[in-house]
Amino acid sequence: KQEVTQIPAALSVPEGENLVLNCSFTDSAIYNLQWFRQDPGKGLTSLLLIQSSQREQTSGRLNASLDKSSGRSTLYIAASQPGDSATYLCAVEGNTPLVFGKGTRLSVIA
Amino acid sequence: KAGVTQTPRYLIKTRGQQVTLSCSPISGHRSVSWYQQTPGQGLQFLFEYFSETQRNKGNFPGRFSGRQFSNSRSEMNVSTLELGDSALYLCASSRQGRLGNNEKLFFGSGTQLSVL
Repeated sequence: KQEVTQIPAALSVPEGENLVLNCSFTDSAIYNLQWFRQDPGKGLTSLLLIQSSQREQTSGRLNASLDKSSGRSTLYIAASQPGDSATYLCAVEGNTPLVFGKGTRLSVIA
Repeated sequence: KAGVTQTPRYLIKTRGQQVTLSCSPISGHRSVSWYQQTPGQGLQFLFEYFSETQRNKGNFPGRFSGRQFSNSRSEMNVSTLELGDSALYLCASSRQGRLGNNEKLFFGSGTQLSVL
């Protein structure tokens, strides 16, 4: 059974810092890994999707990497801004629909 | 292009009642998935529908059911509500939703259900 873990559960950084969020998964037989953002009381917004054959994906200040063999992914956020404050979730799709981690709650302090 | 629409936004029910939630996917999307989100368990997959057929089902009791209509709109129903059913229920849509298609999911804002 696939399990997804995100560390840390919460993170607080000053504005302008670069930061890394971590995601690990137990079963490397995946089709893709996705990163989402969730604002309080809202739905999820897809940020990046990395296919199993890819090593990384970039969108603006966001860069996500995937090491399938070790079961790890990282989300790098450059030059963080207060508007980046949200919960970030990773999810993997394998032989079952998306399995989510419990997220990292990020606070960027101005 | 309109996003995924979920109604109602909030619901308050009492134990033993039943509830129906609605989800309208993005135009052209034929796959609709439902998720339950709680602080303790996080996001858990309920079921997925494609072309009016349930294609995948998560590990939830039979009190949780759903259906999809010919216009791809979907409803989920929870009967005999329990306190533990209090959660944010999210639906998501995609074009095909087939495992391995590497499609992004588009989520609605959710229905916050409180069971008293």
